[in-house]
Amino acid sequence: DIQMTQFPSSLSASVGDTITMTCRASQSITTHLNWYQQKLGKAPKLLVSAASSLQSGVPSRFSGSGSGTDFTLTISTLQPEDFATYFCQQSYSTPITFGPGTKVDIK
Amino acid sequence: QLQLQESGPGLVKPSETLTLTCSVFDGSLSNSNYYWGWIRQPPGKGLEWIGSIYYNRSPYVNPSLKTRVTISIDLLKSQFSLTLSSVTAADTALYFCARHDSDGYNLGSLDSWGQGTQVTVSS
Repeated sequence: DIQMTQFPSSLSASVGDTITMTCRASQSITTHLNWYQQKLGKAPKLLVSAASSLQSGVPSRFSGSGSGTDFTLTISTLQPEDFATYFCQQSYSTPITFGPGTKVDIK
Repeated sequence: QLQLQESGPGLVKPSETLTLTCSVFDGSLSNSNYYWGWIRQPPGKGLEWIGSIYYNRSPYVNPSLKTRVTISIDLLKSQFSLTLSSVTAADTALYFCARHDSDGYNLGSLDSWGQGTQVTVSS
């Protein structure tokens, strides 16, 4: 199985900040990496697919990058609605696996 | 607009079999671009992929659950289902159904999700 790690596990930030979180795969997954936002008790929402492709309707302050084993999700000019948990997921091979998440809360 | 809706029992006794159904509205289960999957999330924990099915292929199932999981699809009812046997407290979770945006080779991202259904395993 491909193991996914994320860091930091949590971070505190203020509205207007720019934040970056990292996802690392245990082996190369080329660009088969997807990012999700999840708010408490809700279904995850796909933000970025194929490492850097922003989903329709997702604000442009979200951006993804990376390939191989290392990936980043950047949120620029953090908005109040961005405080949530972010998961990465590899779709390179089965079993599909998710990272443990990065929780973004208000400083 | 595509909608997915999970249904099933909220409470299951240990050792029993859990069956969940995902109804797909305004979408086609036989669309060749998509797989249809199940994902769960134990309380306070991360996401675990259970398995996914294509309309005319055998499903992919997480090896960690393979001996207990069956995934099936009913095109006429526009539904796909999950059966999990011999449940224990460790199966207590929020269960989601979702659609994969597949390229035909990889399952792909999960671009549409149901709201989730809580399942508790308890006697």
